[in-house]
Amino acid sequence: AQKVTQAQTEISVVEKEDVTLDCVYETRDTTYYLFWYKQPPSGELVFLIRRNSFDEQNEISGRYSWNFQKSTSSFNFTITASQVVDSAVYFCALKGNQGGKLIFGQGTELSVKP
Amino acid sequence: NAGVTQTPKFRVLKTGQSMTLLCAQDMNHEYMYWYRQDPGLGLRLIHYSVGEGTTAKGEVPDGYNVSRLKKQNFLLGLESAAPSQTSVYFCASSYSIGVSETQYFGPGTRLLVL
Repeated sequence: AQKVTQAQTEISVVEKEDVTLDCVYETRDTTYYLFWYKQPPSGELVFLIRRNSFDEQNEISGRYSWNFQKSTSSFNFTITASQVVDSAVYFCALKGNQGGKLIFGQGTELSVKP
Repeated sequence: NAGVTQTPKFRVLKTGQSMTLLCAQDMNHEYMYWYRQDPGLGLRLIHYSVGEGTTAKGEVPDGYNVSRLKKQNFLLGLESAAPSQTSVYFCASSYSIGVSETQYFGPGTRLLVL
């Protein structure tokens, strides 16, 4: 069975703090992809990043970085120097070899206060 | 290029009423999906389509029907709405069903069933 767990339901930080959103996954597939999506207060789902199971290099994009560790089945997301505009619900998702099904975690609601 | 659009944005139904949610994409994507988002559960796949004229069940298909008469459109129907179907519905599309393919989401439809 495939499963994604985001144990942090809500996180609240003050602007300029760094924050890490945790994502732990379960799969028996040897080839799979991991995704992060952002859902701002306006409600739409915005694709942020995807990472394949064979590439454990960390990814950095501006203030965003992702740490993929196969040994711990984790794909954590860090926002450096958080801003109020980062306030959103963030979803981690997994896709294996099961017909395109995207398995989502429960989401982490991040609140960045000025 | 509008991407994925959904109609309507918000709807209130009474128990037992029927309605159809429309999803349209202009990216010439072959695959389309319907998800529902509920608090604490993330997004769950209702139905999906691998091409014009074909549909398949997802994780939570009961109470819903779908049709894909045109490649660019994917309809989600509720024949007899129930309060348990109060949710936010998202449509998504992707170029292929491969494990590496990113799904792009519409803005969502908020449905309240009284």
